[in-house]
Amino acid sequence: DSGVTQTPKHLITATGQRVTLRCSPRSGDLSVYWYQQSLDQGLQFLIQYYNGEERAKGNILERFSAQQFPDLHSELNLSSLELGDSALYFCASSVTSSVPYNEQFFGPGTRLTVL
Amino acid sequence: QQQVKQSPQSLIVQKGGISIINCAYENTAFDYFPWYQQFPGKGPALLIAIRPDVSEKKEGRFTISFNKSAKQFSLHIMDSQPGDSATYFCAARTTSGTYKYIFGTGTRLKVLA
Repeated sequence: DSGVTQTPKHLITATGQRVTLRCSPRSGDLSVYWYQQSLDQGLQFLIQYYNGEERAKGNILERFSAQQFPDLHSELNLSSLELGDSALYFCASSVTSSVPYNEQFFGPGTRLTVL
Repeated sequence: QQQVKQSPQSLIVQKGGISIINCAYENTAFDYFPWYQQFPGKGPALLIAIRPDVSEKKEGRFTISFNKSAKQFSLHIMDSQPGDSATYFCAARTTSGTYKYIFGTGTRLKVLA
């Protein structure tokens, strides 16, 4: 158990809908990362937050947004869902983004299925 | 371009054999190269990592070899076991701006008993 929790574990929804994925980082970790994992794309970095502020952006679509709250949990919002958004979404956390060689700890993921 | 190319996509090895997974990168602004192991239904977990000032790192049966001039690094699993069957991802961490990780596309390893 990495100490990172993600809810829900599974999510099934329809095209055009909006969903929210939640992540609680390990105790003491200030940095949260979101990744999308699909069969043919591997792990794609979406976005990173550090202590409530956005730090880095990857291949995140405009229909997706995220935030990190004062208690350090983070939410990833996916809107106007398309079939191609079906994937595993992972959250990872680390102590900080600036310490060299800091390890990222991954949560168990949320499996999103868009029908 | 920030990209990490990983091969092979899948690998079948006999128990006791050596599993070798390769990764190559183009961007020189990477400063940390971790390998992650992922079992079905689980998130990736850090297996072993190397810094570019080191050519080899060994932890138990797992070894990373790093060739800075060729911009390549590889994971060797010695005495492969059925319990090693998992998907392995290499990654590289960027130093430009803020730290973020670029992952390879993964290698699905199956070790036959």
